[in-house]
Amino acid sequence: SYDLTQPLSVSVALGQTATITCDGNNIGNKNVHWYQQKPGQAPVLVIYRDTNRPSGIPERFSGSNSGNTATVTISRAQGGDEADYYCQVWDGSTWVFGGGTKLTVL
Amino acid sequence: QVQLQESGPGLVKPSETLSLTCTVSGGSIRNYYLTWIRQPPGKGLEWIGYIYYSGRTNYNPSLKSRVTMSVDTPKNQFSLRLNSMTAADTAVYYCVRHDHDNGGYYPFDNWGQGTLVSVSS
Repeated sequence: SYDLTQPLSVSVALGQTATITCDGNNIGNKNVHWYQQKPGQAPVLVIYRDTNRPSGIPERFSGSNSGNTATVTISRAQGGDEADYYCQVWDGSTWVFGGGTKLTVL
Repeated sequence: QVQLQESGPGLVKPSETLSLTCTVSGGSIRNYYLTWIRQPPGKGLEWIGYIYYSGRTNYNPSLKSRVTMSVDTPKNQFSLRLNSMTAADTAVYYCVRHDHDNGGYYPFDNWGQGTLVSVSS
């Protein structure tokens, strides 16, 4: 099975830039989607196919994917960005999620 | 605006079978893939499997022996059955409608709100 590894937690100062990584073998060859999940809510898509933002997602959210690491970057972090973030890929036969990263805005 | 709503028991006894239904409104399930995902309390997301509106299924190998999915196109609903429930199956269960190809091109952009299922005697 295909494994995706995310850091358990990331902290960022208010107004600064947060980077959350998702490591997987040759993940750069896959389409990576990112979800934001706030407590008690369903996940919300924030980045799809590596770099694309759905309508309604602020431009502060961006993504990249190369080699063995995909990344979601949140610029000018706000308190409302505090959430769990999950990466997701299709491994050819099943959908796989990363373990999730808790983003704390200080 | 497509909306999905999970329904089913909030409490299941050990060894019993869980049955959940997802009702889709504001859009059809025709030509879509219909997925179930679960999330144990305080833990991450786990893909359970999907069913295509035509009935073709694909299950997570870790749950395959216990999972059955079905679809009712006239009612715009799809269902999940998970047998031999244990405490480890306690989780929030989400349903999702999405497109799909073999490149993982399409994300999960329509989720239900989720329903908590607890397993306890």
